[in-house]
Amino acid sequence: DVKVTQSSRYLVKRTGEKVFLECVQDMDHENMFWYRQDPGLGLRLIYFSYDVKMKEKGDIPEGYSVSREKKERFSLILESASTNQTSMYLCASREPDRGDTGELFFGEGSRLTVL
Amino acid sequence: AQSVTQLGSHVSVSEGALVLLRCNYSSSVPPYLFWYVQYPNQGLQLLLKYTSAATLVKGINGFEAEFKKSETSFHLTKPSAHMSDAAEYFCACSGNTGKLIFGQGTTLQVKP
Repeated sequence: DVKVTQSSRYLVKRTGEKVFLECVQDMDHENMFWYRQDPGLGLRLIYFSYDVKMKEKGDIPEGYSVSREKKERFSLILESASTNQTSMYLCASREPDRGDTGELFFGEGSRLTVL
Repeated sequence: AQSVTQLGSHVSVSEGALVLLRCNYSSSVPPYLFWYVQYPNQGLQLLLKYTSAATLVKGINGFEAEFKKSETSFHLTKPSAHMSDAAEYFCACSGNTGKLIFGQGTTLQVKP
């Protein structure tokens, strides 16, 4: 089974802190994604990556950056956390060689609270 | 640009009743459409997907969805709800952009 692991299920940070959210997948998927999930807004795409060292902005990239140094790992970085970034963050990877029809496999999420 | 609208943030049905969750999409290219389910405290998992083959798509756990191009819809149905179907359901759309765009989600409550 494909496994997408997010290193932290729950985090509490203070305003202005730098936050790293780590995501690792074990199936050699090329495509990886970061979404944030908020009640009533569904999932919104922050960044995605087609391959190592490649990144593309999603719909809400402001205040975030990403790093993809290895194929299996995709990190989301909040340079200076703010209270409006309190949310559930979901990482996903997609089956290779299937274009946009591939299934996304999700981690269990990281719930971030910024005080 | 693509967008997805799910009609109804909460749907409540009795056990054994028909489940109907509505999804409408907007896409400038032929879309690929998906339904995902999220059980409490878990990530999302794929229920079914439409990728331009048969317009009626069958998924896991007895769910199915029909792609209707004329109505730009991809509604999710299940003939008989089970208590274990209580979850949040997300419709999503992609179309050669690399991005998968999700709707706002619909929480399904199943009453005994």
